[in-house]
Amino acid sequence: EPEVTQTPSHQVTQMGQEVILRCVPISNHLYFYWYRQILGQKVEFLVSFYNNEISEKSEIFDDQFSVERPDGSNFTLKIRSTKLEDSAMYFCASKDTGANVLTFGAGSRLTVL
Amino acid sequence: AQSVAQPEDQVNVAEGNPLTVKCTYSVSGNPYLFWYVQYPNRGLQFLLKYITGDNLVKGSYGFEAEFNKSQTSFHLKKPSALVSDSALYFCAYRNAGNNRKLIWGLGTSLAVNP
Repeated sequence: EPEVTQTPSHQVTQMGQEVILRCVPISNHLYFYWYRQILGQKVEFLVSFYNNEISEKSEIFDDQFSVERPDGSNFTLKIRSTKLEDSAMYFCASKDTGANVLTFGAGSRLTVL
Repeated sequence: AQSVAQPEDQVNVAEGNPLTVKCTYSVSGNPYLFWYVQYPNRGLQFLLKYITGDNLVKGSYGFEAEFNKSQTSFHLKKPSALVSDSALYFCAYRNAGNNRKLIWGLGTSLAVNP
């Protein structure tokens, strides 16, 4: 069964450092998403991406965050200068056109020290 | 504000007994409702959805959920729980449209005891 894959599974970084989280969506999907889940809290929407541009972003997704689809397969989330409160599990998801269900990756756990 | 609520942080049930994980929604229009499950150190896995049609929807692993418009609920159920069902369960909704974001409940931790 097709999967969304995310790397790294866990990254530890120092506050102020840049982090790039990588995702490979399902190959024929055209809609891409990033969500995050701070430990013990609800899953929160960050951003959606379609046709090489951001479709929607939440208030969490400020200037420190960016997304990119650098080639035909990867979808990345960059945090320019990490803060302690960015520590969370970050989930990538993708969706086919007309579909109602998002397929999620296993997540990337980010720990900011 | 539009939202989904999962009133129980934790549900405990004995193996073999029926289980219910509750979800209520407060949204305008006709919501698309979903249940996802998160096993330890795993991602969010889709279980089932309600879009339209029959109020009782069946999903993966023997789970089902009933859309109840009058009670604005979408409770997840299974007739006979397994220890392997122990996980974190999330209810979510989104509005109609091709690129609408999912709005999530807080999650309910299900523990099935042998």
